[in-house]
Amino acid sequence: EIVMTQSPATLSVSPGERATLSCRASQGIITNLAWYQQKPGQAPRLLIYGASTRATGISARFSGSGSGTEFTLTINSLQSEDSAVYYCQQYNDWFSWTFGQGTKVEIK
Amino acid sequence: QVQLQQWGTGLLKPSETLSLTCAVSNGSFSGHYWVWIRQSSGRGMEWIGEINHNGGTTYRPSLKGRVTISLDTSKNQFSLRLTSVTAADTAMYYCARGRLVIDPWGQGTLVTVSS
Repeated sequence: EIVMTQSPATLSVSPGERATLSCRASQGIITNLAWYQQKPGQAPRLLIYGASTRATGISARFSGSGSGTEFTLTINSLQSEDSAVYYCQQYNDWFSWTFGQGTKVEIK
Repeated sequence: QVQLQQWGTGLLKPSETLSLTCAVSNGSFSGHYWVWIRQSSGRGMEWIGEINHNGGTTYRPSLKGRVTISLDTSKNQFSLRLTSVTAADTAMYYCARGRLVIDPWGQGTLVTVSS
């Protein structure tokens, strides 16, 4: 099983600043990586797939990068509505996909 | 856009059967994979299984024998049945679309197994 490790566990950022979230895969997954946002009491929402392609309707403030084992989600001009837990997910193996443990983004 | 609405029993006793249903609206049911996923604080996000529009299924190996996913194309619905539940099956259960990238998701159903 591919293990996804996210860091940091919690990120506290001031409004208007940039948040940078990291995700590392235990083995290479090319660009078979997605990012999801989950707000309290809600289901996850797809933000990014293919490591860098924004899903439909997702703000350009969200961007993804990386390949192989190292990936980054960047949130520019952080807003209060961005407060959430962000998960990375590898889908390199079609029925063995795995999620990271999540990074909680807090607004200062 | 496609929306998923799910419902089912939230409180179960050990050995009972979990039963959830998910209705798909505003989109095509065919040509997609439909999945059940659960989330718990202990195990994180777990894929339970999938069904395609032809009824073909694949299940998480550790749940095989207890899990059944079925569909009703006339109603654009698919369902999850998990037998002989234990406390370890306590989790938030989500229905969703997708085999690899998961989008969209249902609103979730909290299932608690307790005697």
